[in-house]
Amino acid sequence: KNQVEQSPQSLIILEGKNCTLQCNYTVSPFSNLRWYKQDTGRGPVSLTIMTFSENTKSNGRYTATLDADTKQSSLHITASQLSDSASYICVVSANNNDMRFGAGTRLTVKP
Amino acid sequence: KAGVTQTPRYLIKTRGQQVTLSCSPISGHRSVSWYQQTPGQGLQFLFEYFSETQRNKGNFPGRFSGRQFSNSRSEMNVSTLELGDSALYLCASSRLDSGGPSQGQYFGPGTRLTVT
Repeated sequence: KNQVEQSPQSLIILEGKNCTLQCNYTVSPFSNLRWYKQDTGRGPVSLTIMTFSENTKSNGRYTATLDADTKQSSLHITASQLSDSASYICVVSANNNDMRFGAGTRLTVKP
Repeated sequence: KAGVTQTPRYLIKTRGQQVTLSCSPISGHRSVSWYQQTPGQGLQFLFEYFSETQRNKGNFPGRFSGRQFSNSRSEMNVSTLELGDSALYLCASSRLDSGGPSQGQYFGPGTRLTVT
């Protein structure tokens, strides 16, 4: 059973709209959680990394939140652009450096 | 600072052949990890090297192997290629002290391997 579950599996939104992607995990003991953006055919690029004590972290129009009590994270994208079309992957690391990958959310931004 | 580089970017092989992929980490990064990404399975961890030693290994058959050199550059080898080995192979490096928690992992662009 995958220890990192992402939802939705895919999402289509109109340019300029906001959206929120979800990541639930059961990885323990928790070390950090990262969100990556992966364009088709390219390697993932780190958007944010959060440790246990961090609740929110922003990177431009991307804002990640973390609730370590409920083991949930979200990635909010504001004023979406066509270039935001990509897969967004949630990665949770345990203290022993064991990394668990979510299956990703495929976001499509349409004009 | 240059990012993680992988060579070659694209590769076509036939079943039964073997292949070697190369990864150069970011300068100063000592940990190199390899991943296989397919549309059906997503990202799957292959192995991680730190200071020329394999520290972690995923659930892949022995046909998949790797090594790391003293300059932290890494190679992975797949022998007796199968059609199912067609995938994007990603390398990632991090500045990871031995035994410490990962602070950030940077991915290369990947090598797209097609097995025919």
